[in-house]
Amino acid sequence: EPEVTQTPSHQVTQMGQEVILRCVPISNHLYFYWYRQILGQKVEFLVSFYNNEISEKSEIFDDQFSVERPDGSNFTLKIRSTKLEDSAMYFCASSEIQGQPQHFGDGTRLSIL
Amino acid sequence: GQQVMQIPQYQHVQEGEDFTTYCNSSTTLSNIQWYKQRPGGHPVFLIQLVKSGEVKKQKRLTFQFGEAKKNSSLHITATQTTDVGTYFCAVIKAAGNKLTFGGGTRVLVKP
Repeated sequence: EPEVTQTPSHQVTQMGQEVILRCVPISNHLYFYWYRQILGQKVEFLVSFYNNEISEKSEIFDDQFSVERPDGSNFTLKIRSTKLEDSAMYFCASSEIQGQPQHFGDGTRLSIL
Repeated sequence: GQQVMQIPQYQHVQEGEDFTTYCNSSTTLSNIQWYKQRPGGHPVFLIQLVKSGEVKKQKRLTFQFGEAKKNSSLHITATQTTDVGTYFCAVIKAAGNKLTFGGGTRVLVKP
């Protein structure tokens, strides 16, 4: 069964540094998403992406964050000037069409020191 | 924004027993999805409910959407150790694609 893949599985970064989290969505999916989950808490929506542009974003997704689809397969989340509170598990997801079940990757655990 | 409340937050179940987790909204929902997240894992889609009063079954799991489409439940019969994890309900507003997750019910099974 096709999967969403995410790299790296764990990223440790000094506060103030930039990080790029990478995702390869399922190949025939058109909608891509980033979510985050702080340890022990619920999954929170960050952003959705369709047709090479952001379709929706949450209040969490401020100017510190950006997304990009640099080529036909990768979907990245960039976090500039990381803060301690950015430490969380970041999940990428994709869906074939709008409103349909989303398939999640294994996540990247981001630890900010 | 749209919010869903899940209860209970934690559920300790003896193996073999049944339990139910509930998801409630103050507004009418267009649909509701349920996901399971194993410890250390990622959310995995279980089911989507769309119709008022809809009931769907997956083996020992029974999902129900309320008549008013403001609540949903997941009932698990004869709990097994493989049922351990956190069960989330999640909603998508009509014509949208942002999933809003409930707080989840974390299920622990006592053998």
